[in-house]
Amino acid sequence: KAGVTQTPRYLIKTRGQQVTLSCSPISGHRSVSWYQQTPGQGLQFLFEYFSETQRNKGNFPGRFSGRQFSNSRSEMNVSTLELGDSALYLCASSQGDSRLEQFFGPGTRLTVL
Amino acid sequence: GNSVTQMEGPVTLSEEAFLTINCTYTATGYPSLFWYVQYPGEGLQLLLKATKADDKGSNKGFEATYRKETTSFHLEKGSVQVSDSAVYFCALISGAQKLVFGQGTRLTINP
Repeated sequence: KAGVTQTPRYLIKTRGQQVTLSCSPISGHRSVSWYQQTPGQGLQFLFEYFSETQRNKGNFPGRFSGRQFSNSRSEMNVSTLELGDSALYLCASSQGDSRLEQFFGPGTRLTVL
Repeated sequence: GNSVTQMEGPVTLSEEAFLTINCTYTATGYPSLFWYVQYPGEGLQLLLKATKADDKGSNKGFEATYRKETTSFHLEKGSVQVSDSAVYFCALISGAQKLVFGQGTRLTINP
């Protein structure tokens, strides 16, 4: 069974631009969560989607948004990029309604110049 | 709110040494507890988990016991290898069903 895939793996943007990151969960998984990892703040929860609905949201500004498609693939979007948005963005998927075991993708490394 | 505190790193050990990485938590309700490991350039991998008090999670020689009385979930391994060098994260999930992570502990094992 293929694992969680994230595209692209690396991205370089400039301040003010916007970016879209993609995540394909493990086949059969309906829940997708996004996390931001930075050296200063560590791992922080962004949001979770289940069956195309946002079920949970972390404490991030409205510039961070996401969505989930009917095939459970998810995208997150960051608008008006700031230098502080440079981070590793991790996606995790889990089975059905169980959120106990989350499987992580390799992440997308975003650099904002 | 929920939080996880891990011992400060980095931790450097020699091969075959005994490893302990301390983890304590604060949570409402009855959390599930996890240890994740991150190798260089990769995402997180679940190492082990425990879902209720006194449960012991184990995998690849690593163990951790869910101690409700001390709100702890310390990670241990009897004999570490160079390949165990990585960053280790303690985490919990409770109530709001989102993973809350500790700050991570970087472990380096020297041959």
